[in-house]
Amino acid sequence: QKEVEQNSGPLSVPEGAIASLNCTYSDRGSQSFFWYRQYSGKSPELIMFIYSNGDKEDGRFTAQLNKASQYVSLLIRDSQPSDSATYLCAVKVGGYGQNFVFGPGTRLSVLP
Amino acid sequence: NAGVTQTPKFRILKIGQSMTLQCTQDMNHNYMYWYRQDPGMGLKLIYYSVGAGITDKGEVPNGYNVSRSTTEDFPLRLELAAPSQTSVYFCASSYSGSGTVAGGPSDLETQYFGPGTRLLVL
Repeated sequence: QKEVEQNSGPLSVPEGAIASLNCTYSDRGSQSFFWYRQYSGKSPELIMFIYSNGDKEDGRFTAQLNKASQYVSLLIRDSQPSDSATYLCAVKVGGYGQNFVFGPGTRLSVLP
Repeated sequence: NAGVTQTPKFRILKIGQSMTLQCTQDMNHNYMYWYRQDPGMGLKLIYYSVGAGITDKGEVPNGYNVSRSTTEDFPLRLELAAPSQTSVYFCASSYSGSGTVAGGPSDLETQYFGPGTRLLVL
C-alpha cells in the first residue's frame, strides 16, 4: 500500500508568520510531488509541484523535496488569513498510468 | 474554457438506487480521474482513464463503474447505492505526453478538479 502522510492539524499561526507543512511518502519510486489547497466546501486547486531535490520558490510559497528522506514540505511566508485552508500533499506513484496518492491534508488556520 | 464540469452538484439517493455522476472536460486532457473525499479525509482514487476506451481501477473501485467513450466525458456509475457511498465526489483531468496543452509545459501532470458532487445515501 503506497501511503502519503501528513499531520492533520489544525496548524495555527499568527498573521505574517511562516507556516510549515510537512508530508512523507512511502513509495521510493515516486517522481512528482504536488501541493493542493482546498477551501472548505470547494475543490482542490494546485499551489505548487516539485520534481527535483531541493527548494522551489513561487511567490510566498516554497516547496522543499528530499527524496532520500522521502519528505516534502511547503513553507508559506507572510501568512495571511486567506491562506486558511486544508493543504493536500499528492504524490504521483510509480507504475502504469498517472496514479496519484493524496495525503489526508493539514488544516491551516492563520489568525489575524 | 469551462475546465472540468460535474453534474449534479448535490443528490440524495435511497439505499439500492443507482445513478450516474457526469464529468466533462474541455481542455483536451487525455487523463481523467474520479475521487471520493470523506469528511476530514484526503482524496481516494476510485477509477482513472488514460484515454478514450481505457479505464483502470484505483484504490476504492468497489460499487462503482466507469466508461470513457470520448476524450471529454468520464461518467461514474453507482449501482445499488449504500450508505458507505455517502461522500463528495470529485472528477479531475490532466495531460501527459508531448504536444500542445493549455497552460504550457508546466501544466503537465497537474490535475484540474471539478466542483464536486455531494452525494447522500439514506
